[in-house]
Amino acid sequence: GDSVTQMEGPVTLSEEAFLTINCTYTATGYPSLFWYVQYPGEGLQLLLKATKADDKGSNKGFEATYRKETTSFHLEKGSVQVSDSAVYFCALIRGYQKVTFGIGTKLQVIP
Amino acid sequence: GAGVSQSPSNKVTEKGKDVELRCDPISGHTALYWYRQSLGQGLEFLIYFQGNSAPDKSGLPSDRFSAERTGGSVSTLTIQRTQQEDSAVYLCASSSRTSGSWDEQFFGPGTRLTVL
Repeated sequence: GDSVTQMEGPVTLSEEAFLTINCTYTATGYPSLFWYVQYPGEGLQLLLKATKADDKGSNKGFEATYRKETTSFHLEKGSVQVSDSAVYFCALIRGYQKVTFGIGTKLQVIP
Repeated sequence: GAGVSQSPSNKVTEKGKDVELRCDPISGHTALYWYRQSLGQGLEFLIYFQGNSAPDKSGLPSDRFSAERTGGSVSTLTIQRTQQEDSAVYLCASSSRTSGSWDEQFFGPGTRLTVL
């Protein structure tokens, strides 16, 4: 079946540091890939997505590129802020089926 | 509001009791999903409704769990004879072709269930 593997946290960074959260997936066919973010006390929000190979999703300074050859969708941000502290989930979906989530990576950014 | 809503936001119950969790999807969304988020376990798919089709129940962990969706809109997740391991945040999501693509799901804030 489908699966998503992402690095376990927590990840602690200083403000303005570079962020990478690794994500790899296993799926048949051509899934769409997502990063969801969950801020403290809030629900899941879609951060960015990519629907085909080589697509780059971007939002709020975050980027991730759909790499089919390495089955990866790593999340990056050049300069994190304290307000980016949250739990980040990598996920995939094929068609309108259920979303398969990674375990989530907690990011803590310190001033 | 225009988002997915869930009630109650918090539920504390005693072991062995039944609980009902409610989800109001975004108006017009034909697909509705239930997930469970347990501490240290990530998000786990439970059940999926799409229009009038038979639901995909493949994620329900036991026969104590059931869900229904009335009139293609509101959904209720019922857990019978709750156990302590049922303690989790239960998330509802909905989606529709009108969102731009089938594959973007919009999540509610969740119901935090605590079984004592």
